[in-house]
Amino acid sequence: DTEVTQTPKHLVMGMTNKKSLKCEQHMGHRAMYWYKQKAKKPPELMFVYSYEKLSINESVPSRFSPECPNSSLLNLHLHALQPEDSALYLCASSQGQGAGANVLTFGAGSRLTVL
Amino acid sequence: AQTVTQSQPEMSVQEAETVTLSCTYDTSENNYYLFWYKQPPSRQMILVIRQEAYKQQNATENRFSVNFQKAAKSFSLKISDSQLGDTAMYFCAFMNRNTGNQFYFGTGTSLTVIP
Repeated sequence: DTEVTQTPKHLVMGMTNKKSLKCEQHMGHRAMYWYKQKAKKPPELMFVYSYEKLSINESVPSRFSPECPNSSLLNLHLHALQPEDSALYLCASSQGQGAGANVLTFGAGSRLTVL
Repeated sequence: AQTVTQSQPEMSVQEAETVTLSCTYDTSENNYYLFWYKQPPSRQMILVIRQEAYKQQNATENRFSVNFQKAAKSFSLKISDSQLGDTAMYFCAFMNRNTGNQFYFGTGTSLTVIP
């Protein structure tokens, strides 16, 4: 299995809703990432988990809450979002150490629309 | 901080022709990786090619090759025999091996292959 799987593919939510994005990989990767991407823009790093511990938080607002229940799963909990948070949310993983540590494998993304 | 610059927001190429996408970066580090990622309209980001900074030999992957000029901090991507499936956004990216797990992306080049 060489994939990163993200669900749901599309999500529409109101500003008062609570929802979650999910990401799963079974490649034995020990680093997992959340990126936010606006149309025709590069991915912006949000969070990095390394060996199931949060290692990087790029000053993301607290309405985004990451969670790494185990080495294969990564969640992004969403609460009280704003319309400007509408974007494509990409999950990625990498080996975390060794020669493959530098290669990111991306999921297909979750398209989020906040009304 | 590292910066990655792609000065060509959009490019087009005739099918079967060759095209070169430019990327420059700014860093004081010596130990790093450079990447080209491709994001087709279906949106999944895919690794095209990577280069280790300590290797002088330019990386190649089938029709894709790079021109890595370390002193000039330049990392261009050449696509030979362009195919319709090469139509995509192309992002240049930098990773500092010393800090690890932090990838810096350029602003992207939208490439269209014309039949």
